Amino acid sequence: SQQGEEDPQALSIQEGENATMNCSYKTSINNLQWYRQNSGRGLVHLILIRSNEREKHSGRLRVTLDTSKKSSSLLITASRAADTASYFCATDVYNNNDMRFGAGTRLTVKP
Amino acid sequence: KAGVTQTPRYLIKTRGQQVTLSCSPISGHRSVSWYQQTPGQGLQFLFEYFSETQRNKGNFPGRFSGRQFSNSRSEMNVSTLELGDSALYLCASSLAQGSTEAFFGQGTRLTVV
Repeated sequence: SQQGEEDPQALSIQEGENATMNCSYKTSINNLQWYRQNSGRGLVHLILIRSNEREKHSGRLRVTLDTSKKSSSLLITASRAADTASYFCATDVYNNNDMRFGAGTRLTVKP
Repeated sequence: KAGVTQTPRYLIKTRGQQVTLSCSPISGHRSVSWYQQTPGQGLQFLFEYFSETQRNKGNFPGRFSGRQFSNSRSEMNVSTLELGDSALYLCASSLAQGSTEAFFGQGTRLTVV
């Protein structure tokens, strides 16, 4: 069963703009990971944030986690056409690599 | 360091047949998880192996099975294939259980006709 819900389902922006995607989940978690997927290919790991962390950065990516609201956000700054992909959040509830994925946000960055 | 390798990349099978998919994790990683991705159900957890033992199992019928070898390579098997088994099957490799990054392979695209 799906645990996370990404919002919005689809997002279209111009190159250079920032993109923000949100993820909400239902139960307490140990960690949350964000992934990118290009057109039916494998998932690329972006960031892992643990339940005791509030914010992490990696290059143009910024992830926040609010465990009180059971939500996370992924911000991509200065977007590029190559960022066009689907983005998924995945939660590890039982600390056992059984990750629950949301339906994803389809991001389109127009050149 | 080589990434996660899944073989084959594409597969076409007939209803009723069985299929075996293979996953070689990143060197040193001992946990391998399998996921099924379909347009309707999204990404769903199948099972996870750690040190040759199945530690967790998702909500899939017994036709879906797997195993892990001493070198951490894993295989999953689907017997008596159904049309609904058509999906992208993804394997994820982790260093250990719990709170570690999971790295995915490119997947095996299975089509059942």
